[in-house]
Amino acid sequence: QSALTQPPSASGSPGQSVTISCTGTSSDVGGYNYVSWYQQHPGKAPKLMIYEVSKRPSGVPDRFSGSKSGNTASLTVSGLQAEDEADYYCSSYAGSNNFYVFGTGTKVTVL
Amino acid sequence: QVTLKESGPVLVKPTETLTLTCTVSGFSLSNARMGVSWIRQPPGKALEWLAHIFSNDEKSYSTSLKSRLTISKDTSKSQVVLTMTNMDPVDTATYYCARMGYLSAFDIWGQGTMVTVSS
Repeated sequence: QSALTQPPSASGSPGQSVTISCTGTSSDVGGYNYVSWYQQHPGKAPKLMIYEVSKRPSGVPDRFSGSKSGNTASLTVSGLQAEDEADYYCSSYAGSNNFYVFGTGTKVTVL
Repeated sequence: QVTLKESGPVLVKPTETLTLTCTVSGFSLSNARMGVSWIRQPPGKALEWLAHIFSNDEKSYSTSLKSRLTISKDTSKSQVVLTMTNMDPVDTATYYCARMGYLSAFDIWGQGTMVTVSS
């Protein structure tokens, strides 16, 4: 049960866009449309931002969008704002034995 | 309002057994498609999924920690309990419980509880 691979960091200026990748295998990201993304500010619990690859829960701004191609999922934050500076984690269903696996995490910095 | 709250010891000694309780409100643990997972995060590190209990009482465990983990629930008390045996300093982490419901994702998280393993 290996963690999904994310870049350690990403950055952008206010108003710009940033995209974070999440690479897994055909046993997790590539095999199911159950990829989710979480935002975590320092000292806080994670918050669900995207579920089922590209769906947004109620209350999440439409600046956040998700997609998937093959074994790689992506989260794009458009129109970056200062409050978007946080750690972001992807997660994927990995089958009945492994259930869910998280990514290595990406720190997003708003320049 | 749906909430989850973790409770348990702040400090445990190496080789001891850790018992954590997640008390939920705003939903029933017996509702179909409502399950609860335990997830941990060592200081400065990534999230790690540990275990999940489904509404029908089926359980799923991390393959790397399966031998040390037990998850259970008491629906009447709205509580989910995680036990982890043979604790080691590398198990020092913030432990979260999180709900998985209709969204097939962890939609509601507890505030987390920090557990330190040290003699």
